Amino acid sequence: EPEVTQTPSHQVTQMGQEVILRCVPISNHLYFYWYRQILGQKVEFLVSFYNNEISEKSEIFDDQFSVERPDGSNFTLKIRSTKLEDSAMYFCASSRTPGGTDTQYFGPGTRLTVL
Amino acid sequence: GDSVTQMEGPVTLSEEAFLTINCTYTATGYPSLFWYVQYPGEGLQLLLKATKADDKGSNKGFEATYRKETTSFHLEKGSVQVSDSAVYFCALLRSSGGYNKLIFGAGTRLAVHP
Repeated sequence: EPEVTQTPSHQVTQMGQEVILRCVPISNHLYFYWYRQILGQKVEFLVSFYNNEISEKSEIFDDQFSVERPDGSNFTLKIRSTKLEDSAMYFCASSRTPGGTDTQYFGPGTRLTVL
Repeated sequence: GDSVTQMEGPVTLSEEAFLTINCTYTATGYPSLFWYVQYPGEGLQLLLKATKADDKGSNKGFEATYRKETTSFHLEKGSVQVSDSAVYFCALLRSSGGYNKLIFGAGTRLAVHP
């Protein structure tokens, strides 16, 4: 069964450093998402992406965040200057359509630890 | 705004016990509803979904019925196993401008003991 993959599984970085989290969505999916889960808290929507553009972003997704689809298979989340509060599990998801009945499939997540 | 409220955990049960995890939502219209499960050390997996009122989603012995009268989507299983130990997330799919995002509840941790 096709699945979303994410790398790395765990990233440790120093505050102020840039990190890039990578995702490979399911191959015939066109809509891509990032969510995050701070330890012990809710899973929160960050951003959705379609046709090489951001379609919606949350208030969490400020100027230090960016997303990109650099080629036909990868989808990345960049954090330019990490802060301690960016420490969280980051989940990538994809869906075939944006429709209201469609399912978003999640990757296993990248745990980001900012020291 | 839209929101999802789940019963607080942890829920601790013995094997073969009956499980109910309550989920209620606040939303305009009738969004699709989902249960996702997160096993220890793993990501979010879709467990089941329902896309309209009175629909029943089911998978692996779990069931949930979309009740618009009570704005609820409670998760049930007749006989839990140790392998069901995980965190369960209720979520709704909110559409905005043709695009969607999931809004999650806080999650309910289930621990099943032999």
